[in-house]
Amino acid sequence: AQSVTQLGSHVSVSEGALVLLRCNYSSSVPPYLFWYVQYPNQGLQLLLKYTSAATLVKGINGFEAEFKKSETSFHLTKPSAHMSDAAEYFCAVSANDMRFGAGTRLTVKP
Amino acid sequence: DTEVTQTPKHLVMGMTNKKSLKCEQHMGHRAMYWYKQKAKKPPELMFVYSYEKLSINESVPSRFSPECPNSSLLNLHLHALQPEDSALYLCASSQGGGHLKSTDTQYFGPGTRLTVL
Repeated sequence: AQSVTQLGSHVSVSEGALVLLRCNYSSSVPPYLFWYVQYPNQGLQLLLKYTSAATLVKGINGFEAEFKKSETSFHLTKPSAHMSDAAEYFCAVSANDMRFGAGTRLTVKP
Repeated sequence: DTEVTQTPKHLVMGMTNKKSLKCEQHMGHRAMYWYKQKAKKPPELMFVYSYEKLSINESVPSRFSPECPNSSLLNLHLHALQPEDSALYLCASSQGGGHLKSTDTQYFGPGTRLTVL
C-alpha cells in the first residue's frame, strides 16, 4: 500500500518569496509521484511528475520538485511566488493505484 | 489537445430525480475515471474504465451508475441521491490501459458541481 502526507494544510507566503510545499510518501514499491494544482471551481492540472528518471523534476509555471529517496520526500518549490499561484496543491503517489494527499492551500500576500 | 470536457457545469437535483453527468475526451486515451471531491478534501476515486470496461468500482453505492458508451465518452447516471452526495464530480482520462499503469498522467476535466436538495 502507498500513501502521501502533505505537511501543512495551509501555507501563506508574500509575493516574490520562496514557495515550499512539503510532501512525504510511503510505498512498498518504487513510486511514481505527482504534483497537481487546483484553482477554485476547476479540475486538477498536472504541475510535474517523477517517474524514476531525473530526481529533480521541472514543471510548469516555474515549479520544480526533488525526489529524495532517503527522506521519502517530494517537496514542491518555486523561487518566487506570484499572486496567480494561489490555489490548492495536491501531491499524489502512484504505485499500484493513485493516492492523493490531503492538499495544501497556498495563499500569496501582496 | 489535452482537454477533458464535462457537462453540465452545475447541477441541482432533488432526491427523487434522475440525472446524468457527461464526460468527453478526444485524446485517444483508453482509461477514464470518475472522482468525487468534497470541499477542502482531495479527490476520491469512484470508478475506472479501461478499454471501455469497468475495471475498478471503489464500493460506490448503486445510486451512482457509470456507463462508457465508447472510448471517448463517460457518463455517470444519478438516481435517488442523498444530500451528502453533494460534491464536485471530476472526470479524468489517461493514455494507458487503466489504473495499473502508474506513470500515466491523469488529465482532469473542470468538474460538475452537484447539489442534492
